[in-house]
Amino acid sequence: DAGITQSPRHKVTETGTPVTLRCHQTENHRYMYWYRQDPGHGLRLIHYSYGVKDTDKGEVSDGYSVSRSKTEDFLLTLESATSSQTSVYFCATGDGLEQYFGPGTRLTVT
Amino acid sequence: KQEVTQIPAALSVPEGENLVLNCSFTDSAIYNLQWFRQDPGKGLTSLLLIQSSQREQTSGRLNASLDKSSGRSTLYIAASQPGDSATYLCAVPSYGQNFVFGPGTRLSVLP
Repeated sequence: DAGITQSPRHKVTETGTPVTLRCHQTENHRYMYWYRQDPGHGLRLIHYSYGVKDTDKGEVSDGYSVSRSKTEDFLLTLESATSSQTSVYFCATGDGLEQYFGPGTRLTVT
Repeated sequence: KQEVTQIPAALSVPEGENLVLNCSFTDSAIYNLQWFRQDPGKGLTSLLLIQSSQREQTSGRLNASLDKSSGRSTLYIAASQPGDSATYLCAVPSYGQNFVFGPGTRLSVLP
């Protein structure tokens, strides 16, 4: 893939706590995305970025915020985690034609 | 709003068979379509990208075709192998650089 790493890879947290997931790319791609994948819902876009400090909402953005201060890093923050945010989170990058995916972060909110 | 469906939802075949996976989309004004493979517990791996000016793309035993006018793409897998067992997803642009994914076809190739 396009040199995309996600951290942490697994996390268990309690309801009401803030959580930040990090995506790091080494390919200098302009576009970056955060998705969540849930059984029965497939892949759904949370937020995306089309450049440094340029972000916008996706289909399921409520309860999530993002930041992109450098080309290579895209952060996803759950301000106050809820059980409904238990999911697998994927970061992706895009070069204007293709998308490339990271390995995913499994988040469990108890 | 772009919507993507994939048929069948699941498929089980004996090793060696040729098979076809289908992807349909509602808005034909797309500039490309991408096929992915996802193994259990893993991320998505890009298989093929078809640009709107192309009708098909080939990589090894995989061949993907695109018919924008009918809103359909097919992924053909020749001489299937147990290692091909995975979920296959297609994705098309929704607006700008956003993409909509199909629900996937879960393929099992039996030895």
